Amino acid sequence: QSALTQPASVSGSSGQSITMSCTGATSGVGSYNLVSWYQQHPGKAPKLMIYEGTKRPSGVSNRFSGSKSGNTASLTISGLQTEDEADYYCCSYEGTNIWVFGGGTKLTVL
Amino acid sequence: EVQLVQSGAEVKKPGESLKISCQVSGYSFSSYWIGWVRQMPGKGLEWMGIIYPSDSDARYSPSFQGQVTISADESTSTACLQWSSLKASDSAMYYCARPRDDSNTAVAYWGQGTLVTVSS
Repeated sequence: QSALTQPASVSGSSGQSITMSCTGATSGVGSYNLVSWYQQHPGKAPKLMIYEGTKRPSGVSNRFSGSKSGNTASLTISGLQTEDEADYYCCSYEGTNIWVFGGGTKLTVL
Repeated sequence: EVQLVQSGAEVKKPGESLKISCQVSGYSFSSYWIGWVRQMPGKGLEWMGIIYPSDSDARYSPSFQGQVTISADESTSTACLQWSSLKASDSAMYYCARPRDDSNTAVAYWGQGTLVTVSS
């Protein structure tokens, strides 16, 4: 069982917004907001969508945004599109090159 | 362009040894940490460990310490993950992963994955 808890699934209609959570008592989440989010389509390698809680890598749509409140990090996707349907993983950097992944959330676009 | 190219799928028997590889290009291999992530069938991502090629300083997740060995060969810009005695439970997809250019707080680059199947 992961130290980071994610809902197993979330769903939303095309064009709507959804938010998925990532809860953990790790220092990377609570104290330092060193959470990253990854999108993984079936049979593909993960892709970095958000890093250090709120930052978006170059090339990632601004429909993706990250936030944090207490020990919970969140990923919001606005204007849902069919291609957003994928698995999403949060990951906390705990220092000294140790990362901890959440269990993943399956996003379904209705 | 940073590229991580992994070795091909493997089918092994329990008890056999295995080494899979990840050859990089487009950056200085010696200057960045590179790690490995496991994904068991239908399951989530698990951080296994990471190595700094310049001095072979390797760090392991407690779950994988003693179960695998991570190594790096600067002469071929290749990181490796090896098992001395495979178990059926080692069947999974394995990804090599490199952190961002400016910090180690997130993984920016991923290999395409190597599928390992362990079955008698």
